[in-house]
Amino acid sequence: NAGVTQTPKFRVLKTGQSMTLLCAQDMNHEYMYWYRQDPGMGLRLIHYSVGEGTTAKGEVPDGYNVSRLKKQNFLLGLESAAPSQTSVYFCATSILTTQETQYFGPGTRLLVL
Amino acid sequence: KQEVTQIPAALSVPEGENLVLNCSFTDSAIYNLQWFRQDPGKGLTSLLLIQSSQREQTSGRLNASLDKSSGRSTLYIAASQPGDSATYLCAVMGGGATNKLIFGTGTLLAVQP
Repeated sequence: NAGVTQTPKFRVLKTGQSMTLLCAQDMNHEYMYWYRQDPGMGLRLIHYSVGEGTTAKGEVPDGYNVSRLKKQNFLLGLESAAPSQTSVYFCATSILTTQETQYFGPGTRLLVL
Repeated sequence: KQEVTQIPAALSVPEGENLVLNCSFTDSAIYNLQWFRQDPGKGLTSLLLIQSSQREQTSGRLNASLDKSSGRSTLYIAASQPGDSATYLCAVMGGGATNKLIFGTGTLLAVQP
């Protein structure tokens, strides 16, 4: 039972390159989220999904796209990376209730040069 | 727009001391408030979740209180240990059906042996 896993753990990109971050969960949770964490700014929600085939924008969606083709996977894409997207990215999952917490992956550290 | 503030940003205490971390939020219309712990280079781990109808939650040496009307929460750590050194994040779950969390910027705690 791995919980929430993220691939890759670390990546260096050049400005303009593209990449996809993968979040996988084995907890059968409906909700999945992508956050970014920057120094002094806490975690900010990028996109989220309330079920397979659905996605929605969060607080800072610009420059990112997401897909949830399978319930257990949530992909975050950067089509043309910019230095401002240098950050640590966290995926989280939760069930359909306000009485439970979110479960976080270990994070992906991304550096855009 | 909901805003979450944590004070202090950093705290250093000697081992064995009792301490209080503070969290404030601007919109009292919340479902719950959660405290997380984050170790360096790691993901977030849930510590305590307080429903909006509750006043406090306890887990071992941790006690979290919630005063929704004043928009405040405190995390009390008793008899601190060096292993408690980490960043502590407060987050509120607001209205709507998406279970979205709004995070504070965290308090970096160092417990000196």
